[in-house]
Amino acid sequence: EAQVTQNPRYLITVTGKKLTVTCSQNMNHEYMSWYRQDPGLGLRQIYYSMNVEVTDKGDVPEGYKVSRKEKRNFPLILESPSPNQTSLYFCASSLFKGAGANVLTFGAGSRLTVL
Amino acid sequence: DAKTTQPTSMDCAEGRAANLPCNHSTISGNEYVYWYRQIHSQGPQYIIHGLKNNETNEMASLIITEDRKSSTLILPHATLRDTAVYYCIVRPSGTSGSRLTFGEGTQLTVNP
Repeated sequence: EAQVTQNPRYLITVTGKKLTVTCSQNMNHEYMSWYRQDPGLGLRQIYYSMNVEVTDKGDVPEGYKVSRKEKRNFPLILESPSPNQTSLYFCASSLFKGAGANVLTFGAGSRLTVL
Repeated sequence: DAKTTQPTSMDCAEGRAANLPCNHSTISGNEYVYWYRQIHSQGPQYIIHGLKNNETNEMASLIITEDRKSSTLILPHATLRDTAVYYCIVRPSGTSGSRLTFGEGTQLTVNP
């Protein structure tokens, strides 16, 4: 089944303890992106990647890192999480060309709580 | 990317058509209109997209005005399961459509 898989789905952690949220897609998509969703603020883009080793900042990149060493994986790294990073996170991917180009497929979401 | 404006909320009776408007008055010639929906806190789901012609698929219809400054998503026979937040975004084709912004969308409530 074509999908975007995020892990963990739920996580409670403490301030300053490094964590990684993984994202993997099995559709050979070039484009991958991370969003956070907070009440009243819609979906805000954190980082995106246009292909392997090509990443760029979105609207709210502060406090986050990403890497794209393989086409299928795009992990989101919080080096020193803080309570204001408590949020619902979504990973998404798409092709750039061909049938279905630029149609985003989203993961199920990762709910992160930082105490 | 062009910005979109949507009403915060709408109600619709079950079995009736739901018409969700979206304003994108600054849309560029190479930007497509995309609609997604999000049920509760699940991952957003793609519904439909179009450039300038009206489009229809098994989920919905998309009507884009001739000047392309606005569009309407139509759910022809809304059911309770269509209650969700609906997002309208515009995105250029190809690699220029990389930086994306989703607004707050429209909360559609379908009432029995």
